[in-house]
Amino acid sequence: DVKVTQSSRYLVKRTGEKVFLECVQDMDHENMFWYRQDPGLGLRLIYFSYDVKMKEKGDIPEGYSVSREKKERFSLILESASTNQTSMYLCASSLLIPAEPGNEQYFGPGTRLTVT
Amino acid sequence: GENVEQHPSTLSVQEGDSAVIKCTYSDSASNYFPWYKQELGKRPQLIIDIRSNVGEKKDQRIAVTLNKTAKHFSLHITETQPEDSAVYFCAASIDNAGNMLTFGGGTRLMVKP
Repeated sequence: DVKVTQSSRYLVKRTGEKVFLECVQDMDHENMFWYRQDPGLGLRLIYFSYDVKMKEKGDIPEGYSVSREKKERFSLILESASTNQTSMYLCASSLLIPAEPGNEQYFGPGTRLTVT
Repeated sequence: GENVEQHPSTLSVQEGDSAVIKCTYSDSASNYFPWYKQELGKRPQLIIDIRSNVGEKKDQRIAVTLNKTAKHFSLHITETQPEDSAVYFCAASIDNAGNMLTFGGGTRLMVKP
């Protein structure tokens, strides 16, 4: 059973703080993703990584950076948190080359971040 | 880049009725279209997907249809049950492996007993 875990379910930070969100998957998936989820906007991709030390910008990378030092771990970094980064953050993982025609992304439980 | 629009944003049906959620996409190169279901307080999970070389796919009470010419695809749920209540997200990808997904805004489906 695929397990994607995130370091915190709830996080409260102050404006200007540096914030680290951690994600770990145990299925040896090559791909890892960071999304933010806001009502009415669906899930928007922040960053994507298909291999260790590799990263690709998604649709909304501004204000975020990522780190992938090990295959199982993908970190999202908010260098200087702002109130408009208050959101639910979801991590996901998937295979780079799917065995089936589809390619399910397995999501973590999410981290609800509030920046005050 | 790709843009995916999803309608309606909320949908309320009586138990046993059918529910239809529609999505349109902008990039004609998109070729993979999954649907995810997110129950309250839980993580999104894939429920069905379709590739652009297929017009329709069914899995028990759920089906997805794709119209490539019109660039729209739909989720159909028949004989709805209270446990179908959730937020449903459509998505599209131009990546053959379905790695880079663009999601729609979501539809909150409420099934009234």
